[in-house]
Amino acid sequence: QKEVEQNSGPLSVPEGAIASLNCTYSDRGSQSFFWYRQYSGKSPELIMFIYSNGDKEDGRFTAQLNKASQYVSLLIRDSQPSDSATYLCAVLGGSSGTYKYIFGTGTRLKVLA
Amino acid sequence: DTEVTQTPKHLVMGMTNKKSLKCEQHMGHRAMYWYKQKAKKPPELMFVYSYEKLSINESVPSRFSPECPNSSLLNLHLHALQPEDSALYLCASSQDPGHEAFFGQGTRLTVV
Repeated sequence: QKEVEQNSGPLSVPEGAIASLNCTYSDRGSQSFFWYRQYSGKSPELIMFIYSNGDKEDGRFTAQLNKASQYVSLLIRDSQPSDSATYLCAVLGGSSGTYKYIFGTGTRLKVLA
Repeated sequence: DTEVTQTPKHLVMGMTNKKSLKCEQHMGHRAMYWYKQKAKKPPELMFVYSYEKLSINESVPSRFSPECPNSSLLNLHLHALQPEDSALYLCASSQDPGHEAFFGQGTRLTVV
């Protein structure tokens, strides 16, 4: 079982719709969770982080964390074509006590104009 | 300001060359990272420096040699690389190892 799993996609949504990106992780001791956006040929850009169970909103983005289910998600409201990118879920910390980011393989999002 | 600056942006080197990648941040961050990313794959951790000390080495071949001269700078020295080492090399920094990391724009390395 991979440590951080994401559906590779592509996930296609029409412009203006809500895009829902999901991530599961295997280490129950994981402490911090991050979403990065990466455009083709560019470096990852941090868009959200969440440490506690529940929802965290920032503009059009909402991160949701459920530690009991070992599940973290990212909702993008009013999706725009410029949101088309690969979204990487990253998990930090865990039972080993070492602070290493573990990345999922990423979900490619396509927002159709 | 969340800027991490990497130089050069592109590098082409032969298998017998020695080159260095540089990374700089002025955010007062005390953790700095090197990642390697191949096409359509997630970033793969290579090294972590915490408070200027190497804290994690992910069993990286010795032809990659990291150096942290001070809290703002991180270098990656390259020697006798192989064509399969061609990739995007990413530097990142965070306030400390337990916080969110910010990436530089990367160095696109091609080994010929």
